[in-house]
Amino acid sequence: SQKIEQNSEALNIQEGKTATLTCNYTNYSPAYLQWYRQDPGRGPVFLLLIRENEKEKRKERLKVTFDTTLKQSLFHITASQPADSATYLCALDGGGNTPLVFGKGTRLSVIA
Amino acid sequence: DADVTQTPRNRITKTGKRIMLECSQTKGHDRMYWYRQDPGLGLRLIYYSFDVKDINKGEISDGYSVSRQAQAKFSLSLESAIPNQTALYFCATSDGLAQGPVNTQYFGPGTRLTVL
Repeated sequence: SQKIEQNSEALNIQEGKTATLTCNYTNYSPAYLQWYRQDPGRGPVFLLLIRENEKEKRKERLKVTFDTTLKQSLFHITASQPADSATYLCALDGGGNTPLVFGKGTRLSVIA
Repeated sequence: DADVTQTPRNRITKTGKRIMLECSQTKGHDRMYWYRQDPGLGLRLIYYSFDVKDINKGEISDGYSVSRQAQAKFSLSLESAIPNQTALYFCATSDGLAQGPVNTQYFGPGTRLTVL
């Protein structure tokens, strides 16, 4: 069966630095890969989606890369701020009628 | 007003009780989902529905049932609650008729359920 792993359960980073979160997967060929942000006690919020034929996607201070050969996506937050502290989830999206498969998330703490 | 609402937001119940969690959406989406989230286990899919007449089991459907009463309403029932069903439950929607990706999820605020 498919497996998705976010390499760190928690990541601490200094304010102003770039945070890099990793999502690896096996036994799957996603059409898309999605990233969500979740604050404590709240529902996840969609951030970005990258297609299988895209190498990189940007949105403001966020950048996502997708390497289908390595079966890996990297999620970067540049110039990180304490307000970026949250749990970030990646999700495999097979497209069509295939439900998403979520990773367990990485809890990011940005320290002032 | 929130696009996806869940009631109740918090519930404490006893083992063996029947519980219903409700979800309503005003996004006009055709697809709806129920997930549970446990510390260390992430989000796991319980049931999903692509339209009113379509219900599908997810990864962990045992002990749960659902009803899709209308396009905008999807309820989750625990027929006889047990303590290991204590978790945070989320409802989500997606637009299956969208051009392009159809599985982008829009989540409700969650229901915290405690079974004693």
